Amino acid sequence: SQKIEQNSEALNIQEGKTATLTCNYTNYSPAYLQWYRQDPGRGPVFLLLIRENEKEKRKERLKVTFDTTLKQSLFHITASQPADSATYLCALDKGGGSQGNLIFGKGTKLSVKP
Amino acid sequence: GAVVSQHPSWVICKSGTSVKIECRSLDFQATTMFWYRQFPKQSLMLMATSNEGSKATYEQGVEKDKFLINHASLTLSTLTVTSAHPEDSSFYICSARDATSRPDTQYFGPGTRLTVL
Repeated sequence: SQKIEQNSEALNIQEGKTATLTCNYTNYSPAYLQWYRQDPGRGPVFLLLIRENEKEKRKERLKVTFDTTLKQSLFHITASQPADSATYLCALDKGGGSQGNLIFGKGTKLSVKP
Repeated sequence: GAVVSQHPSWVICKSGTSVKIECRSLDFQATTMFWYRQFPKQSLMLMATSNEGSKATYEQGVEKDKFLINHASLTLSTLTVTSAHPEDSSFYICSARDATSRPDTQYFGPGTRLTVL
């Protein structure tokens, strides 16, 4: 069955450092992969989408890579700030993108210390 | 940007009662809306996919008679938890698909915290 794993449940880093979060998947070949941010008691907020034919995507301090051979995506936040503290979720399309159904990882809780 | 609202943001009810949760897309038309449930420290689990004007498609293990979904317009979907029990206590989140964006992007509501006593 399709499986998506975010290896670290929690990640603690110092302000100014680069945070790197990992998302792995098995038994699946998604057309695209998405990253979301979720704050406590709130719904997820869309951050970035990367397609299977893209190696890397950037948006301000965020960078996402997608390696379909390793079946892995890395999510980087450069020059991290305490305001970046949140849970970050990766999600894969479930149905080849046609319906938009998503499978979510459990998330990695990032804490950026000042 | 696209905004999705949910109402109420939290609700406490007695066991055996029914609770209705509304999900609205405020500035776009959503032909498809999704309902998720999230338990503490767990991932979002898709419960059902709701298409405007047709019956919802439920994920395996989700009781359609217990979780009634209505998607009567392009901007509104409702989830009714019938005869709620304490094990139904959870964080319910809806999302709406903006079909005009490619690839399809889902915009999530702020969630509804349901507590069943």
